Parts: sequence; structure tokens; C-alpha cells
Amino acid sequence: NAGVTQTPKFQVLKTGQSMTLQCAQDMNHEYMSWYRQDPGMGLRLIHYSVGAGITDQGEVPNGYNVSRSTTEDFPLRLLSAAPSQTSVYFCASSYAWGFEQYFGPGTRLTVT
Amino acid sequence: AQSVTQLDSHVSVSEGTPVLLRCNYSSSYSPSLFWYVQHPNKGLQLLLKYTSAATLVKGINGFEAEFKKSETSFHLTKPSAHMSDAAEYFCVVSVSSGTYKYIFGTGTRLKVLA
Repeated sequence: NAGVTQTPKFQVLKTGQSMTLQCAQDMNHEYMSWYRQDPGMGLRLIHYSVGAGITDQGEVPNGYNVSRSTTEDFPLRLLSAAPSQTSVYFCASSYAWGFEQYFGPGTRLTVT
Repeated sequence: AQSVTQLDSHVSVSEGTPVLLRCNYSSSYSPSLFWYVQHPNKGLQLLLKYTSAATLVKGINGFEAEFKKSETSFHLTKPSAHMSDAAEYFCVVSVSSGTYKYIFGTGTRLKVLA
């Protein structure tokens, strides 16, 4: 099993550009989530999904969109990048809500 | 509102001495609680979890945590620190009440002195 994979590992964007961070898992997990990690703030939940076709907002959803068309994939879209979105982004999955999460290796995003 | 508080942002211990990382939570329901570790420039790894079974939970690398409902605490301990334990540690609570979220504490950076 590859576990949770994320691409790309690094990305630099200019303000106003859009992009999609990819996340995939091969464990048939129902629950998937996106976090951003900023110094001193821990990990903050952006969006989550409890199953294919079902998504909901987390603590910091503004400026981000998600969709969950398959169990395996949960892409995160930045609609119009802003410097405040410079961060490290982690995708995670778990068998269901309440179970332990497995994390991807992260994407380091810089917006200039 | 459910939340989690890690009481120390930085902890320093000498190698071979005990480790205590403190976590308090607030939850209206019986929560699931987790501790994760993150080594520099790495992803997050699960250390241990509490899911309403035994209140004393043993994890990997000699870590354990005790769930104390009366004190709403889930402190992480290790009898003897090793240099390889230097990392950032996160306490996480699963919250319910109509949503299905996990809330992270702000983290405790553990430094191990030789």
C-alpha cells in the first residue's frame, strides 16, 4: 500500500494564480481531510469529507474548494492564490471519523 | 465548543529523564483522543490513541498516555527520553455535535539535551 500520497511536494505560485493540490489514498478509507500547518498554530482543518460525494467546511475554508467524486481522491483547489495561503498542506485519511488519521507527506506552497 | 489545549509550547529534558507533555481537552461527548509526532520537515505519525477502552494507553517508542475524564486531560509521558524523541508533538481530539472534525492542539516542541 502506498498509503496517502500528495502531489506536488513543492509549489510556488504568483498571487492570483489557481492550482490544485492532489491527494489520493489506497486504503479504502471513507474519511479524508485537508489541513494547513503554520508556525505556532498547529494544524487547522480546511475541508473534510465523510465519503464520496460528501464534503464539509473546516475551520479555515475561505479561498479553497474541494470535491470527492471517488473514495480514493480528494483534491484541494486554490481559486485565486494569496500570500496568506503560503503554508504546508497535509492531506489525511481515516477508516471513518473518530479513527486514527494517516497523513500524507505534505505540500509546501509559497505564494509570492 | 470542543477544543484542545497543549499547556506547554516548548519542553526541554535531559536524555534519560522522564518526559511529560500536557494536554487538556474540552468536549461535550466522549471523545477520541490522539497524540501525533512530527519530526523536522516530516509528516505526522500516530503515537497512540484513546477510544473509550482502557484509560491508560500505550503507544510506540515507549510513550503512553492516561485519559482522565474528571480532569479532562490526556497527558503524554515517557519514562526515559532519547535524543531521537526531539520533535513536535500534537494532541488531537475528535469532535462531534453534528460535525465530524478533528481539532489539533498548537503543538509542544520537545528538546532533548545530551
